[in-house]
Amino acid sequence: SQTIHQWPATLVQPVGSPLSLECTVEGTSNPNLYWYRQAAGRGLQLLFYSVGIGQISSEVPQNLSASRPQDRQFILSSKKLLLSDSGFYLCAWSSYYEQYFGPGTRLTVT
Amino acid sequence: DQQVKQNSPSLSVQEGRISILNCDYTNSMFDYFLWYKKYPAEGPTFLISISSIKDKNEDGRFTVFLNKSAKHLSLHIVPSQPGDSAVYFCAAPLRNSGGGADGLTFGKGTHLIIQP
Repeated sequence: SQTIHQWPATLVQPVGSPLSLECTVEGTSNPNLYWYRQAAGRGLQLLFYSVGIGQISSEVPQNLSASRPQDRQFILSSKKLLLSDSGFYLCAWSSYYEQYFGPGTRLTVT
Repeated sequence: DQQVKQNSPSLSVQEGRISILNCDYTNSMFDYFLWYKKYPAEGPTFLISISSIKDKNEDGRFTVFLNKSAKHLSLHIVPSQPGDSAVYFCAAPLRNSGGGADGLTFGKGTHLIIQP
């Protein structure tokens, strides 16, 4: 069966510091991978998706970036965090339309 | 622009009764809809889906109804149980690009509270 891992689970970072969140998927090959963010009191917003190694599509302009160095690894990064980057970050993989989410990372920018 | 809308931020239902969660959408090209359940500090869990060629899909206690003319869908949970207390999100493929590879667009969610 497929499993999806995210780390760290929680993170507190000062404004202006860098960010690296990692997501890995097991039990499937060449998955479509996604990063979503849930800000306080809001729904899930798609940030990036990837259909293969090195292929990244961005949905919203922001100071975040994503990379896919390996088939089952998806990384979310920032060079300098903003207060508005605080939120709950979720990685997902898809099987047709259904998407399956990881446990999430709670990021607080102070 | 919110293409999928959940206008009720919260809903309180007594245990054993029916819970009805509503969702409206604006894009008539949407051909697939999904419901997710989310507990605090956890990732959403896929619950049930429906294709636009159907008007009903049932899975155990969960039934989703689709009214294409009204651009409305609803999730019925019966009977409601304490473990159903969670936030429920309605979602649709972001673009009708086949297979949903482009990701999903979500409503803002409805917090369902099941009272004993």
